[in-house]
Amino acid sequence: RKEVEQDPGPFNVPEGATVAFNCTYSNSASQSFFWYRQDCRKEPKLLMSVYSSGNEDGRFTAQLNRASQYISLLIRDSKLSDSATYLCVVNNNNDMRFGAGTRLTVKP
Amino acid sequence: DARVTQTPRHKVTEMGQEVTMRCQPILGHNTVFWYRQTMMQGLELLAYFRNRAPLDDSGMPKDRFSAEMPDATLATLKIQPSEPRDSAVYFCASLRSGANVLTFGAGSRLTVL
Repeated sequence: RKEVEQDPGPFNVPEGATVAFNCTYSNSASQSFFWYRQDCRKEPKLLMSVYSSGNEDGRFTAQLNRASQYISLLIRDSKLSDSATYLCVVNNNNDMRFGAGTRLTVKP
Repeated sequence: DARVTQTPRHKVTEMGQEVTMRCQPILGHNTVFWYRQTMMQGLELLAYFRNRAPLDDSGMPKDRFSAEMPDATLATLKIQPSEPRDSAVYFCASLRSGANVLTFGAGSRLTVL
């Protein structure tokens, strides 16, 4: 079993839709969590950290459920520019493990 | 703008040849990671170093892969001999002590024929 699991998608949604991604992790000792975004043929870049109480950054909301060991990302009012692969990351003492990524395509 | 620099950006080689990929982490970042990305497996952690010491290389096939940090400004990943299944994008990333944000290089795209 992989340490970090994500639904690979693809998710194809119209502009303006709300879309949610989930990610589960196996190491209960993991300390911090992140969502990264990767555009086609580019390197991953940090989108946002995930805090225990949940956090929001504009149209993006991240949540963490430690008891169930999953992380979620919600994108509201999706834009064409949100099309990318979203990777969840789980950190245990700087051992940073990535999920395989969920591919999102937002269509006009 | 501080960057992680990787070379080469692209490499095409024949099976059996040695391949060396290089990474210059951001100055002051003391943790360096090597990842491999393929369509099938996603982003896999191969190895990582802290203060130039290898902490974990369990993700790396030991018979053909080796990773080193000869100094704080250079990390290398070597494949000898290379095989077609090694074709992938290899990313280097670095992290500052006490921080949580990984900064990635642009990647080295390897094709082994």
